[in-house]
Amino acid sequence: DVKVTQSSRYLVKRTGEKVFLECVQDMDHENMFWYRQDPGLGLRLIYFSYDVKMKEKGDIPEGYSVSREKKERFSLILESASTNQTSMYLCASSLRAGGPYNEQFFGPGTRLTVL
Amino acid sequence: DQQVKQNSPSLSVQEGRISILNCDYTNSMFDYFLWYKKYPAEGPTFLISISSIKDKNEDGRFTVFLNKSAKHLSLHIVPSQPGDSAVYFCAASPNNNDMRFGAGTRLTVKP
Repeated sequence: DVKVTQSSRYLVKRTGEKVFLECVQDMDHENMFWYRQDPGLGLRLIYFSYDVKMKEKGDIPEGYSVSREKKERFSLILESASTNQTSMYLCASSLRAGGPYNEQFFGPGTRLTVL
Repeated sequence: DQQVKQNSPSLSVQEGRISILNCDYTNSMFDYFLWYKKYPAEGPTFLISISSIKDKNEDGRFTVFLNKSAKHLSLHIVPSQPGDSAVYFCAASPNNNDMRFGAGTRLTVKP
């Protein structure tokens, strides 16, 4: 079974802090993704990566950066956390267009609260 | 501006009846469409998918229909079971790699 793990289930940070959210997958997937989930807005794509050291902006990259130094690990960084970044953050991974239906496998999510 | 829209935030059906969840999209470049199911405190899990060369895909109680000219797809669950109660997300991709998701529909199946 594919396993995607996220470093924390719950996180509380203060405005202005630098925040690191870590994601690790164990199935040698090339693609990794970061989303945030907010009520009424669904899942919105922040950043994604198709390979080590590669990154692509999603639909809402402002205020975020990412790092992918190893194939299995994809980190989301909030350089200076703000209250509007309070959200559920979901990491996912998938093969590189591995078949007709390239499903993404999700981690359990990190509920981040910025005070 | 959301490219994938699920206009019904919630749906309630009786056990044994059909559940129909709808999804519309705006980007004509989307060629792959997937449905995900999400329980509280868990990440979404893949349910069923369809590519643009088909108009129907069936997997047990779940059937997805695609109307490409209308840019509309729907998920039918029949018969609905209480364990199907969850949030359902529609997703679409132009390249079978990165996806865009809708806002989700919360399905409640009443015993």
